[in-house]
Amino acid sequence: ETGVTQTPRHLVMGMTNKKSLKCEQHLGHNAMYWYKQSAKKPLELMFVYNFKEQTENNSVPSRFSPECPNSSHLFLHLHTLQPEDSALYLCASSQDYGRQETQYFGPGTRLLVL
Amino acid sequence: GENVEQHPSTLSVQEGDSAVIKCTYSDSASNYFPWYKQELGKGPQLIIDIRSNVGEKKDQRIAVTLNKTAKHFSLHITETQPEDSAVYFCAATGAGSYQLTFGKGTKLSVIP
Repeated sequence: ETGVTQTPRHLVMGMTNKKSLKCEQHLGHNAMYWYKQSAKKPLELMFVYNFKEQTENNSVPSRFSPECPNSSHLFLHLHTLQPEDSALYLCASSQDYGRQETQYFGPGTRLLVL
Repeated sequence: GENVEQHPSTLSVQEGDSAVIKCTYSDSASNYFPWYKQELGKGPQLIIDIRSNVGEKKDQRIAVTLNKTAKHFSLHITETQPEDSAVYFCAATGAGSYQLTFGKGTKLSVIP
């Protein structure tokens, strides 16, 4: 175990649904990340939070809405998704947000949008 | 921004043989190069990393080499075992950014 947990592990939703992904880290880290992993594509960074403040948003569509209530918890709220949003969504954390910081990943949430 | 190319996309080796995965990067100012292993149903896990002030780093059967002049770095796994079967990702951080740019991954299969 890496100390980063994600729930749910699997999620199926329709395009009109609203759902949320949850991530929790037990490592005492200050930075948390959301990544999207699609088949045959590199991991795509979506959002970065450092000390609960959003520091990066890589042009992610507004149908993805992150929330970081504290340094241990990170949410990704989903609404009116498209089938092409089906992917593995990975959460990660690191001690701080810096150029040589090791990132620790959770197991991911496998999302299927119908 | 940074661009990372990874080869090969798939690799099959006999148990006990060595495996080599190569990555190239575009930003000459990059200075941190981690390698991640992702097993089925799990998230990526860091297995080794190297910083630009060293040329090689070893950890038991795993080694990483870095050639800053050529802008490429490689993962070497010796005496491969079936449990080494997984997808391996290289990554790099570019100048002016704290973000990791990942390669597309290499699926390694170790045949018993």
